Amino acid sequence: DSGVTQTPKHLITATGQRVTLRCSPRSGDLSVYWYQQSLDQGLQFLIQYYNGEERAKGNILERFSAQQFPDLHSELNLSSLELGDSALYFCASSVGLERSNEQFFGPGTRLTVL
Amino acid sequence: AQTVTQSQPEMSVQEAETVTLSCTYDTSESDYYLFWYKQPPSRQMILVIRQEAYKQQNATENRFSVNFQKAAKSFSLKISDSQLGDAAMYFCAYRSGGPGGSGYALNFGKGTSLLVTP
Repeated sequence: DSGVTQTPKHLITATGQRVTLRCSPRSGDLSVYWYQQSLDQGLQFLIQYYNGEERAKGNILERFSAQQFPDLHSELNLSSLELGDSALYFCASSVGLERSNEQFFGPGTRLTVL
Repeated sequence: AQTVTQSQPEMSVQEAETVTLSCTYDTSESDYYLFWYKQPPSRQMILVIRQEAYKQQNATENRFSVNFQKAAKSFSLKISDSQLGDAAMYFCAYRSGGPGGSGYALNFGKGTSLLVTP
């Protein structure tokens, strides 16, 4: 158990809908990363937050957005869902912004878009 | 952008034998980290081993060791005395040593599926 929690574990929805994925980082970790794992794209970085502020962006679609709240949990919002958005979404957390900080992964949320 | 290539989609090894998974990467940076992650059927991402580019000594964690060739931009993972529990997808990943545009995000290869046979 990495100490990172993600809810829900599974999510099934329809095209055009909007969903919210939630991540609680390890106690004391200020940085949160979101990754998407799909058959087509593999594992790719979406976005990073540090202490409530957006820190870095990867291949995140405009239909996707995220935020980190004062209690440091983070949410990833996916809207106007398409079949291709079906994937496993991981959250990872690290202590801070030091180059040596390790990222700890949550168990992931499996999103299925029908 | 850095690219990570794992040229072996699948590998097979017998229990107690040794197997080597290959990874190459492309970067113009001199300061970076390399990682191997294991993803078993549970889908949990588990860090196996990490290597800092400025350290010449190859990292070792119990039965897992790496062969880091900086000039060749190669980072292979050797698993000794393979066990049934080693069966999983293995991902090689690159992380910049400086925050840059993508922070300290991990850049993953496509993965190698390792099958362990009794």
